[in-house]
Amino acid sequence: QSVLTQPPSASGTPGQRVTISCSGSSSNIETNTVDWYQRVPGTAPKLLIYNDNQRPSGVPNRFSGSKSGTSASLAISGLQSEDEADYYCAARDASLNGPVFGGGTKLTVL
Amino acid sequence: QLQLQESGSGLVKPSQTLSLTCAVSGGSVKSAGYSWNWIRQPPGKGLEWIVYISHTGSTSYNPSLRSRISISLDRSKNQFSLQLSSVTAADTAVYYCARGAAIGTSDVFDFWGQGTMVTVSS
Repeated sequence: QSVLTQPPSASGTPGQRVTISCSGSSSNIETNTVDWYQRVPGTAPKLLIYNDNQRPSGVPNRFSGSKSGTSASLAISGLQSEDEADYYCAARDASLNGPVFGGGTKLTVL
Repeated sequence: QLQLQESGSGLVKPSQTLSLTCAVSGGSVKSAGYSWNWIRQPPGKGLEWIVYISHTGSTSYNPSLRSRISISLDRSKNQFSLQLSSVTAADTAVYYCARGAAIGTSDVFDFWGQGTMVTVSS
């Protein structure tokens, strides 16, 4: 059981907008920033969003993040086939004094 | 471009010690401002942060694993290593090494290795 809760799967068709949720608590998401990682099968995980809604250089602006209270979301607009991957949210947790992750959401592009 | 590559024992017997090394290229483990981390993912489960070591050798551990973890930094070989003792089937996982960096107010993992599968079985 992961500390942060994500839906196990999500799907969409090319061009659609998809959102992935991440639910936590007052010891993590509510009081610390949220980051998102993308893992395409067979490759190393990649930082996608940091500081709740910031994109590292090179990440398309189709990816956006938001946070409210103890929940965060990742939105992907203009869905593309190469977006098919596993997505993980992460945040620092005061109880652990370290980062915690969600269980991951497998995104399928239909 | 920084690259990390895990290596080590893929099959470990119960009660024995798991040993992994992460070789770093395209950058230095002596660089200030970064941490060197181990993260794992058991089959069908989410990611779990295990431990980090900084360029100075300071460490931080996941409390649930602390008593079984040893981490070291080899500056001459530009690598860092993890040892996890008294392993059980619950330690079966893909193990990743990753660089930690502070960006804004976030501590992120900005570079990851591809991961290595470790199975605990007799």
